[in-house]
Amino acid sequence: DGGITQSPKYLFRKEGQNVTLSCEQNLNHDAMYWYRQDPGQGLRLIYYSQIVNDFQKGDIAEGYSVSREKKESFPLTVTSAQKNPTAFYLCASSIGTSGIQETQYFGPGTRLLVL
Amino acid sequence: QKEVEQNSGPLSVPEGAIASLNCTYSDRVSQSFFWYRQYSGKSPELIMSIYSNGDKEDGRFTAQLNKASQYVSLLIRDSQPSDSATYLCAVKYGGYNKLIFGAGTRLAVHP
Repeated sequence: DGGITQSPKYLFRKEGQNVTLSCEQNLNHDAMYWYRQDPGQGLRLIYYSQIVNDFQKGDIAEGYSVSREKKESFPLTVTSAQKNPTAFYLCASSIGTSGIQETQYFGPGTRLLVL
Repeated sequence: QKEVEQNSGPLSVPEGAIASLNCTYSDRVSQSFFWYRQYSGKSPELIMSIYSNGDKEDGRFTAQLNKASQYVSLLIRDSQPSDSATYLCAVKYGGYNKLIFGAGTRLAVHP
């Protein structure tokens, strides 16, 4: 059963706490992405990774960190520096990043709430 | 700044009618265009992709692209209540498969 999994489905963060969102894929995709979605808004890119051990900042990387130690995994850490973390976080992957036909597929998402 | 604009809606259509969703983009060198459907509380799922000017049909869905006008649209024929969702337009730019998303158009199909 191939696909992208994200855990947990819901995550609660306390003030000053770092939390980590998991994203795993078994599609053998090279590229992975993290997006943030706020109510009534489109998706905004946080970080992306084209290959293992390499990643680039997206449009709203401040307050977030990532790692890509394995092809299958791309965890996102929301640090205490992110002052407004409440949002729906979406992980996506694509076969690669070259060519014009590299479609991104999304995981089910993690909803982060601040206590 | 690269932007993707969509009418937020809601767009309300009766069951069986054609729903027309529109999207404009600012980056002239964009090459790839995607429509995603997002049900409330769920993640986006790909509906259509289009890369060349003209129409592309897949079942009840037709994507239309006009690069000269920087305009892409999605037509849904024989709309069903199950089509009620938010439709996100996404445009790819650059060489790193970065997508810019519009805010989405909420479609409501009423019986």
